[in-house]
Amino acid sequence: DAKTTQPNSMESNEEEPVHLPCNHSTISGTDYIHWYRQLPSQGPEYVIHGLTSNVNNRMASLAIAEDRKSSTLILHRATLRDAAVYYCILRWDSNYQLIWGAGTKLIIKP
Amino acid sequence: EAQVTQNPRYLITVTGKKLTVTCSQNMNHEYMSWYRQDPGLGLRQIYYSMNVEVTDKGDVPEGYKVSRKEKRNFPLILESPSPNQTSLYFCASTRDRKTGELFFGEGSRLTVL
Repeated sequence: DAKTTQPNSMESNEEEPVHLPCNHSTISGTDYIHWYRQLPSQGPEYVIHGLTSNVNNRMASLAIAEDRKSSTLILHRATLRDAAVYYCILRWDSNYQLIWGAGTKLIIKP
Repeated sequence: EAQVTQNPRYLITVTGKKLTVTCSQNMNHEYMSWYRQDPGLGLRQIYYSMNVEVTDKGDVPEGYKVSRKEKRNFPLILESPSPNQTSLYFCASTRDRKTGELFFGEGSRLTVL
């Protein structure tokens, strides 16, 4: 099983960059790395995904290690609205099912 | 606006009283799925559907039924709810299961007494 490991929680100051790590040492060559976040009382929300190369979008950047065994979600300038649980997920099985872990609870301090 | 709509958002019911949670998406997505979220257990898939009239079990299908008669709708049916089905339920859809973005509804909090 391709599983991910994330810290349970992280704290950051408002308006500073945040680096959220994820380890996925058993990743296969065809697994995409997905990040979602879940704000309080809301459904999960897509953040970003990538395969091998680093990716950027309006919400965040995804840095993928050369061996693909780890990745980092980068929020360039955290705001209070970024406080959420962030999930790093691989699609690992033939049904392309997302396997959700516990995620990282990101706390933003004003 | 692209969205997945679930109803009801909140429901308290009693054991054995059949209920249906509706899910509708306006993005013409072929793939839809249902999840339940419980403290400490994360999101677990109940059922999914790859297209109209094509459904399959996820990780925790016991006690649930689904149907997909139209592309936009994917209702979750609890024929005889029990207290262990008290949970937060999410419906989701995507254009591409492998690489696509999953769009989630806002959730339906169900309490079975």
